Amino acid sequence: EAGVAQSPRYKIIEKRQSVAFWCNPISGHATLYWYQQILGQGPKLLIQFQNNGVVDDSQLPKDRFSAERLKGVDSTLKIQPAKLEDSAVYLCASSWAGRGRNEQYFGPGTRLTVT
Amino acid sequence: SQQGEEDPQALSIQEGENATMNCSYKTSINNLQWYRQNSGRGLVHLILIRSNEREKHSGRLRVTLDTSKKSSSLLITASRAADTASYFCASGGAGGTSYGKLTFGQGTILTVHP
Repeated sequence: EAGVAQSPRYKIIEKRQSVAFWCNPISGHATLYWYQQILGQGPKLLIQFQNNGVVDDSQLPKDRFSAERLKGVDSTLKIQPAKLEDSAVYLCASSWAGRGRNEQYFGPGTRLTVT
Repeated sequence: SQQGEEDPQALSIQEGENATMNCSYKTSINNLQWYRQNSGRGLVHLILIRSNEREKHSGRLRVTLDTSKKSSSLLITASRAADTASYFCASGGAGGTSYGKLTFGQGTILTVHP
């Protein structure tokens, strides 16, 4: 079974530029999550999708971050414009039936460096 | 902000010894999960314990949950060098706006020396 795919694996941009990350969850997983993990900290949930709909985006900085999940499968996370404090690893995860009851499967992450 | 607090922040042991990590959380939970993260394999789920369970085993892992103290512990027995990684607890919220949300702790860095 293929795991969660993410691209790119690494990205270096200057502040005020824009960047987009892509995620393809495990086939059949209805729930998709985007996390931000700053060095030395645990992952912080940015947004959770159930199929096409947003379940939780309370910690998403909506003035600069946006995310969408087309047709309930792939998802993209965008940052525009980027700030220095956005430097982190962005993790995508998926699970069978969200709501925290089941284990989540994580992709390898995208390491973003903002200079 | 992170809900969970993990203790210790770092743990260094010899191969064959046991490793114990503790986690505390603040709000009611549906379940508590433990994950491992290393550079080679990313973040991997280890074990899930539900709020109505007190203890669970999986191979060399033993997890306990005390909902009255809002705490959990992860015990790794007979540790191996390959267990070297960061370990995170993650609490699954039970009510209100926290329902279903998985909140990670800060993690414990475990180093197992051969």
